[in-house]
Amino acid sequence: NAGVTQTPKFRVLKTGQSMTLLCAQDMNHEYMYWYRQDPGMGLRLIHYSVGEGTTAKGEVPDGYNVSRLKKQNFLLGLESAAPSQTSVYFCASSYWGTGIDEQFFGPGTRLTVL
Amino acid sequence: EDKVVQSPLSLVVHEGDTVTLNCSYEVTNFRSLLWYKQEKKAPTFLFMLTSSGIEKKSGRLSSILDKKELFSILNITATQTGDSAVYLCAVVISSGSARQLTFGSGTQLTVLP
Repeated sequence: NAGVTQTPKFRVLKTGQSMTLLCAQDMNHEYMYWYRQDPGMGLRLIHYSVGEGTTAKGEVPDGYNVSRLKKQNFLLGLESAAPSQTSVYFCASSYWGTGIDEQFFGPGTRLTVL
Repeated sequence: EDKVVQSPLSLVVHEGDTVTLNCSYEVTNFRSLLWYKQEKKAPTFLFMLTSSGIEKKSGRLSSILDKKELFSILNITATQTGDSAVYLCAVVISSGSARQLTFGSGTQLTVLP
């Protein structure tokens, strides 16, 4: 099992450009999440999904959009990148079940917006 | 607003020392508390705590939750250089059918040889 994978690993954008980050999981998890991590701020939730075809806003959703067309994939889009979106982005997934709250994280995408 | 606060922000110790990392929280709809270790890459899961006063142990690491006082501690005994990492505390909150994590800012632990 590959677990949670993310593509790309690194990306440099110019202000105003758009891009899509792809997250894939092979654990048949219902829940998927996108986080950003900035120095000294831990991880902050951008958007999440509780199942195929559903999405919801997290703590810092502005400037991002997401889609979950297939259960195993969760896409994060930046329509018009801004320097404030320079960050490390982590995708995570978790099982929907009693007593299991662990989230499994992907390796991260380091995004720089110039 | 849900809040998770970790202390200290950073800690430098020597191999063999014992450390205690703190996590306090103020959240609605508490479900569980998780500890993760992050070494310049994805966080890796350490413990999940749901009940007060029950210690979870894994080798030299242990953790306990106090739901009355709203905090958890992570202990590491006989520290090794490989324990150097950021330790993240996260509280799982029930939100309708969803579960969300609110993370603290982490404790940067450096273990010197």
